[in-house]
Amino acid sequence: AQSVSQHNHHVILSEAASLELGCNYSYGGTVNLFWYVQYPGQHLQLLLKYFSGDPLVKGIKGFEAEFIKSKFSFNLRKPSVQWSDTAEYFCAVILYNQGGKLIFGQGTELSVKP
Amino acid sequence: DSGVTQTPKHLITATGQRVTLRCSPRSGDLSVYWYQQSLDQGLQFLIQYYNGEERAKGNILERFSAQQFPDLHSELNLSSLELGDSALYFCASSVGTADTQYFGPGTRLTVL
Repeated sequence: AQSVSQHNHHVILSEAASLELGCNYSYGGTVNLFWYVQYPGQHLQLLLKYFSGDPLVKGIKGFEAEFIKSKFSFNLRKPSVQWSDTAEYFCAVILYNQGGKLIFGQGTELSVKP
Repeated sequence: DSGVTQTPKHLITATGQRVTLRCSPRSGDLSVYWYQQSLDQGLQFLIQYYNGEERAKGNILERFSAQQFPDLHSELNLSSLELGDSALYFCASSVGTADTQYFGPGTRLTVL
């Protein structure tokens, strides 16, 4: 079955540290890729997305992600995190042959210490 | 604000009861999706409607059903509720299928 795997369940960083969250998916066909963020007590917000073209995509709040097709990966990065980045981050994919359902990873909880 | 609205925000009910959750998509979006978020299962896709028709089905229990009305709003009906149905239920909408989905604020269901 198709799945999305996020390597880190909980990441703790100090402010100004660099961030990289891993995401791998298992599907050989065409996919659309997303990162969503969920701040405490809030709903999911779109950080960035990749449909096609330049595999390095930039999102909101200084986040970026790189799609590496050969590795089935879509890792999220930020050069310098802030306390306000404390949230849960979800990687998700849409499989072209299975309608529009999003398949989510387990989520990574990021805690940024001031 | 994503433009997707959900009501109610919170719902507390008893086992065996039936509830209805409502979702209004963003203006212009034809697809509506329902997801369940729980601590043990994470975010799970339940069902998708596109312009009134069921398009895809996920891990949705037989006790659950949904529909999308001509004005494109959607309702998720949960019946014979069990303690394990306690979760956050999110609605999302998109223009078509496989497009970016925008999520509503969710309905937190507590079954006592």
